[in-house]
Amino acid sequence: GAGVSQSPSNKVTEKGKDVELRCDPISGHTALYWYRQSLGQGLEFLIYFQGNSAPDKSGLPSDRFSAERTGGSVSTLTIQRTQQEDSAVYLCASSSERGKIGELFFGEGSRLTVL
Amino acid sequence: GDSVTQMEGPVTLSEEAFLTINCTYTATGYPSLFWYVQYPGEGLQLLLKATKADDKGSNKGFEATYRKETTSFHLEKGSVQVSDSAVYFCATGGGNKLTFGTGTQLKVEL
Repeated sequence: GAGVSQSPSNKVTEKGKDVELRCDPISGHTALYWYRQSLGQGLEFLIYFQGNSAPDKSGLPSDRFSAERTGGSVSTLTIQRTQQEDSAVYLCASSSERGKIGELFFGEGSRLTVL
Repeated sequence: GDSVTQMEGPVTLSEEAFLTINCTYTATGYPSLFWYVQYPGEGLQLLLKATKADDKGSNKGFEATYRKETTSFHLEKGSVQVSDSAVYFCATGGGNKLTFGTGTQLKVEL
């Protein structure tokens, strides 16, 4: 498809397990973002990739969270030793613009439930 | 850091009513301002934006004006429709990321 694709759309896991969430951005988009959407909390910035530059990891809430982007395209967000407070919808977005931020194109999200 | 405050919902209106969703921001420099909309079962999508003071963004009958003196970017529509029912997010863009508000749910009834 032409949009941002995320998988899985839903993930239920047990506390303490590791999870991986995948994002396939729009082809040709150099910028990729991960946000977290919790009930009543709005969207929380997690991490930003731009081309081959070092990622901006300033939003990652703890060292249990990490993300990589291979070949400047697909990205994986990994949460180790999941906790119940990690339950949220994880949103990926991509953009074609460099420098000053422009329009972000969002995927439909991966809903994570930690039991 | 940057922050966005928007009115809490849900906001419930009758069809053809006038809509205002308030949004104020704090940011350094001269950020761009955005409204994103999330329709039920869909991902967020850009509704409108403004990149400098006094600019007016508009789309689908919605408007918002970048007011630097009041640090506001209120969303308005003169006559809402049932199909406008969604969650609306105000955002400020400084540097390389967007900072979002908590979202305002709009319900439009016949």
